[in-house]
Parts: sequence; structure tokens; C-alpha cells
Amino acid sequence: EAGVVQSPRYKIIEKKQPVAFWCNPISGHNTLYWYRQNLGQGPELLIRYENEEAVDDSQLPKDRFSAERLKGVDSTLKIQPAELGDSAVYLCASTDRDHEQYFGPGTRLTVT
Amino acid sequence: QKEVEQNSGPLSVPEGAIASLNCTYSDRGSQSFFWYRQYSGKSPELIMFIYSNGDKEDGRFTAQLNKASQYVSLLIRDSQPSDSATYLCAVNPFPGGYNKLIFGAGTRLAVHP
Repeated sequence: EAGVVQSPRYKIIEKKQPVAFWCNPISGHNTLYWYRQNLGQGPELLIRYENEEAVDDSQLPKDRFSAERLKGVDSTLKIQPAELGDSAVYLCASTDRDHEQYFGPGTRLTVT
Repeated sequence: QKEVEQNSGPLSVPEGAIASLNCTYSDRGSQSFFWYRQYSGKSPELIMFIYSNGDKEDGRFTAQLNKASQYVSLLIRDSQPSDSATYLCAVNPFPGGYNKLIFGAGTRLAVHP
């Protein structure tokens, strides 16, 4: 079974530029999560989807971050404009039942 | 504020020893608990989950949960250098089917030959 797929794996951009990350969850997984992980910290939830509905986006900085999961499968997370403090690893995870979340390889974003 | 606390380490153990990783959480109503392993530069990988008080064993790994003390631990028996990684404790403090995990900052484990 294929795991969670994310792209790109690495991204370097200048501040104020836009950036987008893509995630394809494990087949059949209805719940999809976007996390941000800063160096030396655990992942922090940004947004959670149940199918195409965003059911928890309370920690998403909505002034610059947006996300979509239009057909309830793959998802895109966007930052516009990026700030220096956005440098982190952005992780996507999915699950088909309560609690057991499986993570993708992540996208390491560096904002210069 | 729902919190999960872990000692950042590093925890250094010799090869073959038992490594004991600890985690405390603030929300007494928490129902499910997870241990993830994260190698440097890689994404978290689920090792074990535990829902009930007591011990749960899977190979060389044992998760221990004490809800009264709000404490969960992971024991790694016969530690190997390949076990060297950061171990993340994650807790779901939300009732029912609300599936949201709060992660600790992780404990770095170093197993030396």
C-alpha cells in the first residue's frame, strides 16, 4: 500500500513570495491533516479535513495561509506571502479511522 | 491549554539496555496515546498506541499508561543503535471521535555500541 505522498520535498523561497504544498493521502483515508513542525518541536496541527470539509482550522493563520481539498482526496496548502518565521517542515498525515495517523515525508520550507 | 511534556534528552543508553521514555499530559480526560519515532530529517512513524491503563507490548516495545498519574511511557528492550531517534509522545485530549493529536516536543534517544 502506498503511503502519504507529498511534494515538493524541499522548497527555498524569498520572503513575500507565495508557495504551495501538495499532499495525496493513503487511498481510502477520508481524514487528512496538515501539520507544521519547527526545529526541535513536535508537529502542530494547522488544519484537519474530513473528506472535503475543513472541520478544524482554528490554528491556521488565515491571513496568509489557505488550504483546499476539493474532491476529498488530495490537498494543497498555500502560503502567501511567506515570512521568515514560516520556515519549517510541513507534514501531511491521513487516517481511515480514529487516531492512527500516518505521515508523509514532509516538505522542508526555507524562507530567506 | 492542553499540554504534553517530554524530557528533551538526549537520553543515552548502551546497546542492549532498556531505554525508558516518559511523557506527561495535562488533560485528565485524554483517551488515547501514541508514540511516534522520528529519525533526523524524516517524518514521524507510528510505533504504538495505547488506550487503556496498564501495559501494551509489541516486540521490543512496551507502552505503559497510568491515567490517574497522567503519565505514559515507552520502554525499548534490547536497545539497538538503529533505535537512535527522537521519540514523540502524542495525546488525543478530545472526547468522542474528535481526532486531534497534541504532540510533545520529543525525547532524543542515543544508543551507543
